[in-house]
Amino acid sequence: DVKVTQSSRYLVKRTGEKVFLECVQDMDHENMFWYRQDPGLGLRLIYFSYDVKMKEKGDIPEGYSVSREKKERFSLILESASTNQTSMYLCASRWTFGNTIYFGEGSWLTVV
Amino acid sequence: GQQVMQIPQYQHVQEGEDFTTYCNSSTTLSNIQWYKQRPGGHPVFLIQLVKSGEVKKQKRLTFQFGEAKKNSSLHITATQTTDVGTYFCAGQGAGSYQLTFGKGTKLSVIP
Repeated sequence: DVKVTQSSRYLVKRTGEKVFLECVQDMDHENMFWYRQDPGLGLRLIYFSYDVKMKEKGDIPEGYSVSREKKERFSLILESASTNQTSMYLCASRWTFGNTIYFGEGSWLTVV
Repeated sequence: GQQVMQIPQYQHVQEGEDFTTYCNSSTTLSNIQWYKQRPGGHPVFLIQLVKSGEVKKQKRLTFQFGEAKKNSSLHITATQTTDVGTYFCAGQGAGSYQLTFGKGTKLSVIP
């Protein structure tokens, strides 16, 4: 079974803090994604990476950055957290030539 | 950019009633996928449709891909309480890495 692991399930951070959300997949997938999910807005793509050290902006990249130094790991960084970044963050991965996306269990971030 | 519209946003049904959710893309898709997210859970892949006019069935679930490859539907026959959750469609444009998700349809089933 494919496993996508998000290290932090629940976080509470203060406004202005730097936040790291880590994601690891164990299936040698080339592509990795970060989405945020908010009620009524569905899943919105923040960034994706189609290979190591490669990244592309998704639909809502403002306020976020990412890092992909190793194939299995994709990190989402909030340089200076703000209250409007309170959300659930979902990491996902897939093979380049496969279409199915495998999601992690999500990280619930609250910024106070 | 590519947009995927999904309706309805919410649907409440009595157990045993049928349920349908619809997706429409602004552009022609290479494939469309459907995911289910249980309350408190994460989206889980259900199925992928690739061919124009394709119809696939999984027990009580029927998935259709339109002839123009711009729309799709998911129909559940005789809903059960285990069907509760949010159903998302996700479309992939030709030559694109990205999947664009619809906003989802949240299904509630009243016992």
